Amino acid sequence: QSVLTQPPSVSAAPGQKVTISCSGSISNIGNNYVSWYQQLPGTAPKLLIYDNDKRYSGIPDRFSGSKSGTSATLVITGLQTGDEADYYCGTGDSSLSAGHWVFGGGTKLTVL
Amino acid sequence: EVQLVESGGGLVQSGGSLRLSCAASGFTFSRYNMNWVRQAPGKGLEWVSYISRSSSIMYYADSVKGRFTISRDNAKNSLYLQMNSLRDEDSAVYYCARPYYGMDIWGQGTTVTVSS
Repeated sequence: QSVLTQPPSVSAAPGQKVTISCSGSISNIGNNYVSWYQQLPGTAPKLLIYDNDKRYSGIPDRFSGSKSGTSATLVITGLQTGDEADYYCGTGDSSLSAGHWVFGGGTKLTVL
Repeated sequence: EVQLVESGGGLVQSGGSLRLSCAASGFTFSRYNMNWVRQAPGKGLEWVSYISRSSSIMYYADSVKGRFTISRDNAKNSLYLQMNSLRDEDSAVYYCARPYYGMDIWGQGTTVTVSS
């Protein structure tokens, strides 16, 4: 059971838009920056978005992030087959029970 | 090129020990805090441990506290994870990751398999 809640899967057709949510609490998302990661099959995670809404170097503007209260959202527009991957949100957590950093459980994106 | 390369993974019996290493290159290692993150087969990412630039601050996930020890050698541009009393549930790919604006740099991972 992950501290941050993501939908297990989302899907959409090429060219369409998809939204991935990440829900947490005051101790994590509510008081910290959120980052998003893409993990292609068999590879290490790659940073997409940091500080809630800033694209990392080289990341196309089809990827965007936002945060409101204790939730964050990743939006991918103009879907491509190469976007099929697992996506994770992550943030700091000040709760003693959670530790220093927490991740969502991951969302598998299927481009139909 | 900014790079992190893990090593030291392998097959170990339950209750055994293993020491992972992470070699950093392409950036001034001593200026950055560092993390270990793991991913069990078919599962999501799990943060394991954090160490500050000067090794003065260390954090651990509850699941590894008291069994794992994070350390670093800035002169050797290296990060380590000493894993003792290993359990089946510690089987995973272990990544070192640089926590700078999120976790911006990740290694390719090293696989640890704990066999009972």
